[in-house]
Amino acid sequence: EVQLVESGGGLVQPGRSLRLSCAASGFTFADYAMHWVRQAPGKGLEWVSGISWNSGSIGYADSVKGRFTISRDNAKNSVYLQMNSLKAEDTAYYYCAKDKGQWLAVQIIWGQGTLVTVSS
Amino acid sequence: EIVMTQSPATLSASPGERATLSCRASQSVTSNLAWYQQQPGQAPRLLIYGASTRATGIPARFSGSGSGTQFTLTISSLQSEDFAVYYCQQYNTWPPGLFGQGTKLEIK
Repeated sequence: EVQLVESGGGLVQPGRSLRLSCAASGFTFADYAMHWVRQAPGKGLEWVSGISWNSGSIGYADSVKGRFTISRDNAKNSVYLQMNSLKAEDTAYYYCAKDKGQWLAVQIIWGQGTLVTVSS
Repeated sequence: EIVMTQSPATLSASPGERATLSCRASQSVTSNLAWYQQQPGQAPRLLIYGASTRATGIPARFSGSGSGTQFTLTISSLQSEDFAVYYCQQYNTWPPGLFGQGTKLEIK
């Protein structure tokens, strides 16, 4: 069974950093692109970042470019989101998602999300 | 910058009825358009990709159509479990992944 389990969320002060992790199982992780998508409470979905199977193609939403960094470790079946200079508007549930293929396209399997709250 | 616009924002319908949801892109995304369903308190689920291809396990009552800038998600006969929020997403223009604002499908 394909599983994605996010961790690392929590309460953090504005301007501080947080690192999210997503542990994958049930599929050949190294063969697929991965994404992070967020959803502020009561709001819509916002794609945050994606990374191709070989880390050769990486994309970010304009709202996080320069502050967030996505990475992956295929040996550990994990994808990460390093979030720096956090703002109140970054408060959201952060979902890790598996792509349908090697390159950035659709999110076919989703984790259950981890909540990040940015507040003083 | 590409903008994805969904309409209507809220659609009220009854079980058994047909529902039609729309998504418009501000520039062509060819057929690189996906639809997702999200139930309250749950992660989204992929329904349609490539504008018209159903994802694995998605019932045949869900269908997608369109290309370029105009897309439609049709649910042929609404079931109770179909009342949810639906999002379209383009993955044609870099960076890929931009979502529409969502359509809430509610029970009339």
